[in-house]
Amino acid sequence: DGGITQSPKYLFRKEGQNVTLSCEQNLNHDAMYWYRQDPGQGLRLIYYSQIVNDFQKGDIAEGYSVSREKKESFPLTVTSAQKNPTAFYLCASSQDRVGNQPQHFGDGTRLSIL
Amino acid sequence: GENVEQHPSTLSVQEGDSAVIKCTYSDSASNYFPWYKQELGKRPQLIIDIRSNVGEKKDQRIAVTLNKTAKHFSLHITETQPEDSAVYFCAASIPIFNKFYFGSGTKLNVKP
Repeated sequence: DGGITQSPKYLFRKEGQNVTLSCEQNLNHDAMYWYRQDPGQGLRLIYYSQIVNDFQKGDIAEGYSVSREKKESFPLTVTSAQKNPTAFYLCASSQDRVGNQPQHFGDGTRLSIL
Repeated sequence: GENVEQHPSTLSVQEGDSAVIKCTYSDSASNYFPWYKQELGKRPQLIIDIRSNVGEKKDQRIAVTLNKTAKHFSLHITETQPEDSAVYFCAASIPIFNKFYFGSGTKLNVKP
C-alpha cells in the first residue's frame, strides 16, 4: 500500500552497532506493528502500538526498541543485544485499536550483518 | 495466547484446479480472520477476510469459510492460475488485545 513507507529497503549492520528502521504512514491509522520474517517462516510480532506515546511488547521484543512520538511514525531500533538480526522486517498499520480491521503492510526492510 | 496452525506448508496444483488451505485457532475469543498473499520479497497483501458473525464469504475465485465451533477456517481458490503462485498466510485477531496471530504460511505453486 502506498500509505506505508519503510526505509531503507536494505540495511547492513556491523557488530555492536544499533540501527534504526523507519516506518511512516499517512493513512491516519491508530495502530502500528513491527514484524520479523525469517526465510520460509511466518510473521512474528516484535512490538505494537495502539496510540501515540504507548506501545507493547510482542512475542520477540528482546533486542529491539521502539517509539511512538507521532501518530504517523513508528521507528524500530535493532540494538546490539539482538544477536541474530538478519531478517526481513515488516511494518504494518491498522485503522482501529480493537483488531477488527485488516493490517496494511509496508514494503519491508531487509537487514543483514556485515 | 492464541495459536494459529496452518496446513499444508506447501501445495502444488495444476492450473485450473482448486486449492484449499486450512487454519485452526485455539482462542474462542478470536473474531476476525484475514488472509494475506505474499509474493517473493514483497509485502503481504490482504486478499479476503471474514468476521466471526459470518460463516462464508466469497470474492470471485476466492472464498473463505469459518467454523467457529471447530475453530477452523479455510481459504478456497478455484480455477487457479499461475499468478496465484505465492505464499498465503492466515491470521486471527483477538479484539481486546488488538494483536494478530499469523499461521506459518502455505507456499502455493500453480503449474501451467
